[in-house]
Amino acid sequence: SQQGEEDPQALSIQEGENATMNCSYKTSINNLQWYRQNSGRGLVHLILIRSNEREKHSGRLRVTLDTSKKSSSLLITASRAADTASYFCATGRMDSSYKLIFGSGTRLLVRP
Amino acid sequence: EADIYQTPRYLVIGTGKKITLECSQTMGHDKMYWYQQDPGMELHLIHYSYGVNSTEKGDLSSESTVSRIRTEHFPLTLESARPSHTSQYLCASKGQGTYEQYFGPGTRLTVT
Repeated sequence: SQQGEEDPQALSIQEGENATMNCSYKTSINNLQWYRQNSGRGLVHLILIRSNEREKHSGRLRVTLDTSKKSSSLLITASRAADTASYFCATGRMDSSYKLIFGSGTRLLVRP
Repeated sequence: EADIYQTPRYLVIGTGKKITLECSQTMGHDKMYWYQQDPGMELHLIHYSYGVNSTEKGDLSSESTVSRIRTEHFPLTLESARPSHTSQYLCASKGQGTYEQYFGPGTRLTVT
C-alpha cells in the first residue's frame, strides 16, 4: 500500500454489534478522513479528524487518532445491515493537504 | 448525494479505441481529481487539477490525459485503450477551505 494498511481486511458481524477498523499510515499528516464505499459506487465522506485532535464523534461513528503511533481507528456502534460497505481511511499530507492517500480498505459485512 | 456526475457508468470497448470519460460537478469546486481503483483495492490518484488550465499527474503513472478548460468539467482521455486499462475510474472534487472530497459514482471500464 502506498500509505499504510487497514486492519482487518474483512470483518463480518451480527447486526447490533460494534465494528472497529484500524488504519496505519507512514507520513506526517495534516488530517485523516474516513470514507465509505458501497459496492461498485463512489466514496462518501464520513468523518474528518485533524492532526491535533485525538477523538471525534459523529452519530454512531467514533474516530480516534494517535499521531505518535501513526494510527487511527473507526468504531461503528450498534451496526445495521445498511452499514455493509467498504471503509477507507485517507490521509492529507503535511506538504500537500489537497491530495489524499487512501488505505487498502476494510470490507464490512453486517449480517441481519 | 454530491453534485458530481460521471458518464458513462459502464463502458466495454475494444483494444486500440480512443475513449473519453466525462466528469462534471455543479458545486463550483476549484480542485478536481481522478482516481483509479481495481476491485476491492485502494484508490490511486492519477491526475488532479487545482483550477482552470491547471493539471498535474498523480502518484500512479497513467497513460491517460486530462484537461480543465472549465471549472465544472474535468474529462479523462485514453488515446488507445488496452486491456491493462480495465479498472474503475473515480472522479472527485474539493471546495476551498475544506479537506473532504466529493466523489462521483465512477466509470467501470473494460477493455477487451
